[in-house]
Amino acid sequence: KAGVTQTPRYLIKTRGQQVTLSCSPISGHRSVSWYQQTPGQGLQFLFEYFSETQRNKGNFPGRFSGRQFSNSRSEMNVSTLELGDSALYLCASSLLAGGGDIYNEQFFGPGTRLTVL
Amino acid sequence: KNQVEQSPQSLIILEGKNCTLQCNYTVSPFSNLRWYKQDTGRGPVSLTIMTFSENTKSNGRYTATLDADTKQSSLHITASQLSDSASYICVVSARGAGSYQLTFGKGTKLSVIP
Repeated sequence: KAGVTQTPRYLIKTRGQQVTLSCSPISGHRSVSWYQQTPGQGLQFLFEYFSETQRNKGNFPGRFSGRQFSNSRSEMNVSTLELGDSALYLCASSLLAGGGDIYNEQFFGPGTRLTVL
Repeated sequence: KNQVEQSPQSLIILEGKNCTLQCNYTVSPFSNLRWYKQDTGRGPVSLTIMTFSENTKSNGRYTATLDADTKQSSLHITASQLSDSASYICVVSARGAGSYQLTFGKGTKLSVIP
């Protein structure tokens, strides 16, 4: 069974640009969560999508948005990039929404390393 | 406010030695606690998941303990190998009204040197 895949793996952008990251969950998983990871803050929750609907949202500005398609693939978009957006962006998939239940474990992808210059 | 604190922030040990990583949490209502291993530039991989009723769980050379009374967990690594060099993240799940909330620690960076 293939794991969670994320594309691209690396991305370099300049301030003010926008970027779109993609995540393909494990086959059969319907929930995708996105996280931002920086050395100082650790993993911070961005949002979760389940059945094409945003279920939960973290404390990030509106420049961060996402969506989920009918095949459960998800995209995350960041507009008007700032230097502080440089981070590893991780997505995680689970069978059902939430991912916090022991029977509904989250599996992480390898991440997209975004560098903003 | 739910919080997960991990210590130490970083650790350097010699290959073959044992080590213990700590995780203290103030998460309520507690559902389960997970330890993840994250290699540099990769996504976290689950090592163990423990519920309230479990106080020890092993995965090969990794043994996690949980004391739900003191809200502490530890991850013990036996006979360390160079491949154990990674960040170890403690994650605590809280169950709210029909949903779960995950709180992540900032991780302990372990370096195993020959």
